Amino acid sequence: DAGVIQSPRHEVTEMGQEVTLRCKPISGHDYLFWYRQTMMRGLELLIYFNNNVPIDDSGMPEDRFSAKMPNASFSTLKIQPSEPRDSAVYFCASSDRDPSYEQYFGPGTRLTVT
Amino acid sequence: DAKTTQPNSMESNEEEPVHLPCNHSTISGTDYIHWYRQLPSQGPEYVIHGLTSNVNNRMASLAIAEDRKSSTLILHRATLRDAAVYYCILRVVSNAGGTSYGKLTFGQGTILTVHP
Repeated sequence: DAGVIQSPRHEVTEMGQEVTLRCKPISGHDYLFWYRQTMMRGLELLIYFNNNVPIDDSGMPEDRFSAKMPNASFSTLKIQPSEPRDSAVYFCASSDRDPSYEQYFGPGTRLTVT
Repeated sequence: DAKTTQPNSMESNEEEPVHLPCNHSTISGTDYIHWYRQLPSQGPEYVIHGLTSNVNNRMASLAIAEDRKSSTLILHRATLRDAAVYYCILRVVSNAGGTSYGKLTFGQGTILTVHP
């Protein structure tokens, strides 16, 4: 298996632009997570899906952020409009059991908003 | 969220054992202890987890105190590739949308430096 796949690996955009980050979980995994990592706040859980349904989005910072999972093999995290403080590394992870056993993380997307 | 306390950094020499401590004095009976590590420029990687008994796998061992208020991750022979940030995390059962699930909350972790 190729593991969790994220794209793009790097994204540089200007403030106010829409940004879409993509994730392909490991085949057969029913749980998907989006995390954000910054130096100041560390690694934060943004949202968690189970069987394509968002279960806990309490970590989503504000309405500018939205996440979807239209099918079991694809998820997106969208920021509209983007702001410089959104600059971070965004990780997607998936799991095949109760979500907090072994989570498999993707390589991350480094987002820079200028 | 239940909290863990880890040293900010530790150092080791290659091929020596490393003991990474973690305190979790507010742990509850249903909380699992998880360890992840993050190598430079990579996503976190699962290392090991346990509830009450000591655990071993191919990567490491986890020693859990009898009162469960502390634990130690043991790398038996450190290599240069083990240099990473090690996170000790409590799996806490959370409820959202009518569903119970185990939530992992990452702290700042311990930066492990391995010297040749």
